Order: sequence, then C-alpha cells, then structure tokens
Amino acid sequence: ETGVTQTPRHLVMGMTNKKSLKCEQHLGHNAMYWYKQSAKKPLELMFVYSLEERVENNSVPSRFSPECPNSSHLFLHLHTLQPEDSALYLCASSQGAGESDTQYFGPGTRLTVL
Amino acid sequence: QKEVEQDPGPLSVPEGAIVSLNCTYSNSAFQYFMWYRQYSRKGPELLMYTYSSGNKEDGRFTAQVDKSSKYISLFIRDSQPSDSATYLCAMSYDRGSTLGRLYFGRGTQLTVWP
Repeated sequence: ETGVTQTPRHLVMGMTNKKSLKCEQHLGHNAMYWYKQSAKKPLELMFVYSLEERVENNSVPSRFSPECPNSSHLFLHLHTLQPEDSALYLCASSQGAGESDTQYFGPGTRLTVL
Repeated sequence: QKEVEQDPGPLSVPEGAIVSLNCTYSNSAFQYFMWYRQYSRKGPELLMYTYSSGNKEDGRFTAQVDKSSKYISLFIRDSQPSDSATYLCAMSYDRGSTLGRLYFGRGTQLTVWP
C-alpha cells in the first residue's frame, strides 16, 4: 500500500448506528487531518493531529469523535449522526503541521446517513 | 464574505483549448497558494504549489499569483480529456504557529471533450 488509504470507501448508516472510519498513511508523516467535503461547498477542516496529539478541533459536533493511536493511523468514530452529515470524508497527512507542509489526501469515505 | 471564492462551473472545453481557472480571496495574509486536482471518486492531489507572488510553470500547467489583486489563476495549455476533473484552489498563511490550516475554494468542475 502506498500513500494514504481509507476504509471503508462507502458507508451507509442509520441515525442510531455507531461506525468508524479508518485512515492509514504510509508516508512517514507526523500530522494527520480529517476533512468533510459536501457538494458545492469548500472542504471543511474537522480535526488536526500532530505527533498523535489533537492540535485543532474545528467546532465539530461531539457526534464525531477522532482517535489517533499512532502517527500512521487515524480514526473517526461516528454515532447518532444526522442526514446532513452525509458527505465525503477525507483524510490527509503531511510531514509536519505547518503552513508550508504539503497535505496528501486519501480517496475518501462516501458516507450516507439515512 | 467567504475567505476564498471560486466559481464552481461547470466548465466545458474542447480538447486542445487553453483553460483558465481562478480564485479570489479576502485575507491579505495568505502566502502559500496551491491547486489541487480531484478526479471523480478520488481524493484531491496536489498539482501546483506557489509561495507569495509570481508565476510557476510545470509542463502544461502554469500557476499565477497576484497578491495585489488577491487573485490566483491556473492555466492549462493544450488541454486533454484526462484533465477532466474538479480543480480546487487552497491557500494558507503564516500564523506564527505550527498549525497548518488550508482554506479551500469550492472547486471548479472541468470537462475537456475530445
């Protein structure tokens, strides 16, 4: 595996379900990110982890819970989601978490909340 | 006013045309400017990266930054059907910290027809 991988690629869940999205980076990077991409809207930064510590939580509802057990893996735990949470969830990684560090994106998980 | 404005299109051009994609922004502190390309069902991939003002060329692609006008452009020469994708502009600024936050435009959907 190379680059940034995400599983599952597609997920359909009911509002009462609990599920998790997984991201793995194979680039030796130290920073990882979760973004939300909705139709016709800019990418929204959700969380930033640098060296496994959360350094930014961008006013995201508590029904989204991130976890970063090590610098290669990032999870997004989902519970009691709303239909408006349906979107493409993108994971990215970068060498550092600085402004000039290039972010590399995974293919995303397409989430549909019924 | 949004931080970054980008016309979502769609833009449709014949093969071989010169394509011009643009973004405007409101925050004069932005210093790092990027263009990402996103194919359908894939994550964004970095195409061009420019620091501060000026031009940067890479093959058929040229990125321009005009900080005085708060305007950035991506030109694609001799466009190919394989260039059909959504193009996202992104930018960031030096906040005097190690937190890298990208501000994205909505993306412009481009179709190059043979």
